Amino acid sequence: DAKTTQPTSMDCAEGRAANLPCNHSTISGNEYVYWYRQIHSQGPQYIIHGLKNNETNEMASLIITEDRKSSTLILPHATLRDTAVYYCIAHGSGNTGKLIFGQGTTLQVKP
Amino acid sequence: GAGVSQSPRYKVAKRGQDVALRCDPISGHVSLFWYQQALGQGPEFLTYFQNEAQLDKSGLPSDRFFAERPEGSVSTLKIQRTQQEDSAVYLCASSLTNNGPGQGFSYEQYFGPGTRLTVT
Repeated sequence: DAKTTQPTSMDCAEGRAANLPCNHSTISGNEYVYWYRQIHSQGPQYIIHGLKNNETNEMASLIITEDRKSSTLILPHATLRDTAVYYCIAHGSGNTGKLIFGQGTTLQVKP
Repeated sequence: GAGVSQSPRYKVAKRGQDVALRCDPISGHVSLFWYQQALGQGPEFLTYFQNEAQLDKSGLPSDRFFAERPEGSVSTLKIQRTQQEDSAVYLCASSLTNNGPGQGFSYEQYFGPGTRLTVT
């Protein structure tokens, strides 16, 4: 799986949109971009994934650049409960399904 | 329905003791993963089961680590002769299948809360 690069930390005001960037310049054609988050003292939680089209679900939106070298996770209206470590993972089909986590971005949502 | 459960949630072991960590995956999930998470780091893959078959154990750090899933449901991660460097949170995850999303199968891994192991 391709390496991903994320900022170490970010702050966001409660109620505002949180935009979390991720670079994956070596991503290959069959690799998807996944986002998980980990709230303190809990296991990681799946958020969203995409290949090349933008995706949206009840939790977030995922914007992938046309060249697929980077992406942005958007939490449209961040709440205090969104404070967590967010992991961006490039993950290909055909392997055993194991996820390769990096350091992630610690998002602090402030009141 | 119930999610992935793990027990115990906390375990303190003296160096040299053996420990066994249990994972109850979501019923019907084919795939089961174990990860190790050191303090301040992201989870790191240890091993993977498809039903009862252990298909990937490339992440196990030493032969002191052993995992099994004899009936294709509950899994146990055993660590023999624990060392201080084994102190970490051990996470279990399950998913409906192992195949990637492009093949029309489930891709989402559901994680348990983890077992925090402290070796003194």
